Amino acid sequence: DAGVIQSPRHEVTEMGQEVTLRCKPISGHNSLFWYRQTMMRGLELLIYFNNNVPIDDSGMPEDRFSAKMPNASFSTLKIQPSEPRDSAVYFCASRRTVSMNTEAFFGQGTRLTVV
Amino acid sequence: SQQGEEDPQALSIQEGENATMNCSYKTSINNLQWYRQNSGRGLVHLILIRSNEREKHSGRLRVTLDTSKKSSSLLITASRAADTASYFCATTDGRSNDYKLSFGAGTTVTVRA
Repeated sequence: DAGVIQSPRHEVTEMGQEVTLRCKPISGHNSLFWYRQTMMRGLELLIYFNNNVPIDDSGMPEDRFSAKMPNASFSTLKIQPSEPRDSAVYFCASRRTVSMNTEAFFGQGTRLTVV
Repeated sequence: SQQGEEDPQALSIQEGENATMNCSYKTSINNLQWYRQNSGRGLVHLILIRSNEREKHSGRLRVTLDTSKKSSSLLITASRAADTASYFCATTDGRSNDYKLSFGAGTTVTVRA
């Protein structure tokens, strides 16, 4: 398996533009997580899905952020409109949840810079 | 919210020495996991310890868990330059069937050659 695949790896955009981050989880993993990492706030959980259903989106900072998981093999995180404070590394992770005692697998992240 | 808090924030050691870092958490847990992050990369799982376990080993890694103190430690023995990375603990809430992982702020380890 290729692991969790995120695209793009780097994104530079102007303030006010729409940004879409993409994630393909590992096949067979039924939970998917979106995290944001910054120096100031560390790793923050934004939202997680179980069996394609959003379970907890309490970490989504504002209405400008939205996430979808239309099927088991694809998820998007959208920011519209983007702001400079959204600059961060965004990670997608997936996990097989046959029990609580499973590990999460992370993608390589998308480094977003909003200028 | 970040459940786990690592200590120290940063650690610098000589190659061959042992590195110890600690993690404290607030609520009951199902398990506690440690992850490593190399600069510019995603997190990689190292080891998982269940709430009913007290110690676990994997290669040069040793993890302990004290649920009465809500704390865990990660020991890396005979460190190598390749161990230079940030290390995070993560917990799964034991109060519910919730699969989300909450991460601490991490310990940055630098191993000097």
